[in-house]
Amino acid sequence: NAGVTQTPKFQVLKTGQSMTLQCAQDMNHEYMSWYRQDPGMGLRLIHYSVGAGITDQGEVPNGYNVSRSTTEDFPLRLLSAAPSQTSVYFCASARASTLYEQYFGPGTRLTVT
Amino acid sequence: LAKTTQPISMDSYEGQEVNITCSHNNIATNDYITWYQQFPSQGPRFIIQGYKTKVTNEVASLFIPADRKSSTLSLPRVSLSDTAVYYCLVGDNGLTGGGNKLTFGTGTQLKVEL
Repeated sequence: NAGVTQTPKFQVLKTGQSMTLQCAQDMNHEYMSWYRQDPGMGLRLIHYSVGAGITDQGEVPNGYNVSRSTTEDFPLRLLSAAPSQTSVYFCASARASTLYEQYFGPGTRLTVT
Repeated sequence: LAKTTQPISMDSYEGQEVNITCSHNNIATNDYITWYQQFPSQGPRFIIQGYKTKVTNEVASLFIPADRKSSTLSLPRVSLSDTAVYYCLVGDNGLTGGGNKLTFGTGTQLKVEL
């Protein structure tokens, strides 16, 4: 199993540009989520999904959109990038029965200039 | 979701046992205690989870007293490679108990030296 994969690893955007961060998992996990981590801080939940076709907001959802058309994929879209969105983004997945045992991807380091 | 309190940082030397304590005074009946480890530039990694008494795996042990208001992650004979941030999380594993919204605090930065 590849586990949770994320692309790209690094990305530089200009203010106002849009892009999609990709996340995929091959463990057939029902639950997937996106976090951001700023320097010296813990992780903050952006959006999450409990199954295909179902998404919900986390702690810091503004400026981000998600969709879950398949069990495997959970892309995160930045509609109009802002410098405040400079961060490291992590995707995670888990079985619905053991949500606290989450598997994290390697992260995407995003810089918005 | 129960709030947790853990030390900001700890220092240790190779070969020593490290114990990181987490306080969670308002833990609920259905809540589990879960610990994650995060190395620089990597995503967090699940280490161990427990409900009461003691849990041990190949990486660590988790001690939980009877009142469950605190827990201690024990790392035996640490090495330089154990230098990482350790997060304590408390909550229900299921969707209705808030398990869908993991809350990571700032964790405990463990530094292991020679």
